[in-house]
Amino acid sequence: GAGVSQSPSNKVTEKGKDVELRCDPISGHTALYWYRQRLGQGLEFLIYFQGNSAPDKSGLPSDRFSAERTGESVSTLTIQRTQQEDSAVYLCASSSGHLTGELFFGEGSRLTVL
Amino acid sequence: QKEVEQNSGPLSVPEGAIASLNCTYSDRVSQSFFWYRQYSGKSPELIMSIYSNGDKEDGRFTAQLNKASQYVSLLIRDSQPSDSATYLCAFYGGSQGNLIFGKGTKLSVKP
Repeated sequence: GAGVSQSPSNKVTEKGKDVELRCDPISGHTALYWYRQRLGQGLEFLIYFQGNSAPDKSGLPSDRFSAERTGESVSTLTIQRTQQEDSAVYLCASSSGHLTGELFFGEGSRLTVL
Repeated sequence: QKEVEQNSGPLSVPEGAIASLNCTYSDRVSQSFFWYRQYSGKSPELIMSIYSNGDKEDGRFTAQLNKASQYVSLLIRDSQPSDSATYLCAFYGGSQGNLIFGKGTKLSVKP
């Protein structure tokens, strides 16, 4: 696709439910990043993939969060047993390589946990 | 924990004026610095990168870097209402080599 595509754009869920967020990066981009942005706040780094590998998962806020990437393409971020503090916009970005500085962001998935 | 500090604003300037946005960072080792612009309700987009001390100009935008002072700034000349957005400073400083973003400065350009 022409840009980074994320789905769903909006998700409202009940506390305790699991959610899955999807990111389809720009074709050919090997690096993929997940960030979280709470209302009025900056970007909080969650995890990055180089190819299908995530070298370090320590940025994930808790063990309820997991992420995977397949085929050096689509990535999914899964949040289990959602809590109200998980409410945020989850942004995915891709770049042609790690450390290029130029991240292309998707429009984000807005998650609201009731 | 490596950090980026920015004045959250809002910074309000009249149309045609120079807007000056500032950022300090905690990591003396970092070599690469970036300015992203985020319109309300939209995702960030890269507008400037700077790697060397001094100034880098691109159209109405000038990025300034002072590594000794750990300070980077963005000047917007002839500010336009369309420049109204939040400007995020970022540098490579995460434990995974990831970009660390500041919380951003909200700029409002009044017609």
